[in-house]
Amino acid sequence: DAGVTQSPTHLIKTRGQQVTLRCSPKSGHDTVSWYQQALGQGPQFIFQYYEEEERQRGNFPDRFSGHQFPNYSSELNVNALLLGDSALYLCASSLGTGTGQPQHFGDGTRLSIL
Amino acid sequence: AQSVAQPEDQVNVAEGNPLTVKCTYSVSGNPYLFWYVQYPNRGLQFLLKYITGDNLVKGSYGFEAEFNKSQTSFHLKKPSALVSDSALYFCAVRDLIRDDKIIFGKGTRLHILP
Repeated sequence: DAGVTQSPTHLIKTRGQQVTLRCSPKSGHDTVSWYQQALGQGPQFIFQYYEEEERQRGNFPDRFSGHQFPNYSSELNVNALLLGDSALYLCASSLGTGTGQPQHFGDGTRLSIL
Repeated sequence: AQSVAQPEDQVNVAEGNPLTVKCTYSVSGNPYLFWYVQYPNRGLQFLLKYITGDNLVKGSYGFEAEFNKSQTSFHLKKPSALVSDSALYFCAVRDLIRDDKIIFGKGTRLHILP
């Protein structure tokens, strides 16, 4: 039973570029949430997707956008990259929304901006 | 707004001794509380959750947590620490009534001394 998988593992970009990160949820899960974890900090909620729609959003600018596909996988897109976007980006999946079920996390994508 | 506080950046415990990692929370409705652990270069692993019921919650790897509504605390505990417990621990709160966001604390680094 595959858990949450994220790709790529590591990524290096320069300021102003655009990046797409990918996530496949745990088998049986239909909800995907994205988090940004800066060095030495706890994960910060970016947004959550359910039924291919953005359901909740944290305090992140519109440069951060996402998508969920019919197979429940998801992408996180970041435009006009800034140095401050350097972080570990975590994807988490769960079953349904508002259920209180724990989220299962992938190992993340380490994004470095030069 | 909901929030989580982990007052200790680091906790040092001798192997075999009991350990406690502190967490306090603030949420408008009924709290759904979680503990996660993160090992180096990995995502977050779910340890345990409190939604309702018994105030003492048992989780993975021998960990448990005590929910205290009057003190708005949810401290993580283990009777006998192992060196392999050394990791970064995150407390998180979820308000299913207000929204479905998960808010994480900044984390506490647990260092078990052999």
